[in-house]
Amino acid sequence: EDQVTQSPEALRLQEGESSSLNCSYTVSGLRGLFWYRQDPGKGPEFLFTLYSAGEEKEKERLKATLTKKESFLHITAPKPEDSATYLCAVQAGEYGNKLVFGAGTILRVKS
Amino acid sequence: DAGVIQSPRHEVTEMGQEVTLRCKPISGHDYLFWYRQTMMRGLELLIYFNNNVPIDDSGMPEDRFSAKMPNASFSTLKIQPSEPRDSAVYFCASRPPGRVGTQYFGPGTRLLVL
Repeated sequence: EDQVTQSPEALRLQEGESSSLNCSYTVSGLRGLFWYRQDPGKGPEFLFTLYSAGEEKEKERLKATLTKKESFLHITAPKPEDSATYLCAVQAGEYGNKLVFGAGTILRVKS
Repeated sequence: DAGVIQSPRHEVTEMGQEVTLRCKPISGHDYLFWYRQTMMRGLELLIYFNNNVPIDDSGMPEDRFSAKMPNASFSTLKIQPSEPRDSAVYFCASRPPGRVGTQYFGPGTRLLVL
């Protein structure tokens, strides 16, 4: 069964303090890994797609990387507006149309 | 683009009552997903449709749950009868053709069953 584990559960950073979030996965053949951001009271919002080990994607202060066993979301010099829950998901199901989500990492950035 | 629209945004009901959640996907999207989110279980896929046809309902917890998509612009998720353990945030998401993994989520319906 496809599984996604995210760590840490919660992370508190000072503004400007860079860090990384981890997403480890167990799948029978990775087809795609996705990062989403969820703000309180809202639905998840798509950030990145990664398909193969070594691939990297960047958006503003965020960079997502992928290895054969895990993905990292690196946050460089975060700002308070980066505070959110970050969810990782893997493509799953017979036809690859389903997403299996991890529990998420709650990020709080203090000014 | 208005995004995915869900209604109601909040629903409080009593155990045993029927609950109907509604979703309008983004125009042109051919996949529609229903999710449930709780603190204990996270974000779980309940069912998904492709071109209005249910493809996988293996995540639907019990026969009390049912979902329909009568046309490309409307879907419902019904719980009958509702139970306190159904309390959660229910999200609808839609996906454009060929964009696996890129799902656009609605704002969710927060359901509380007393």
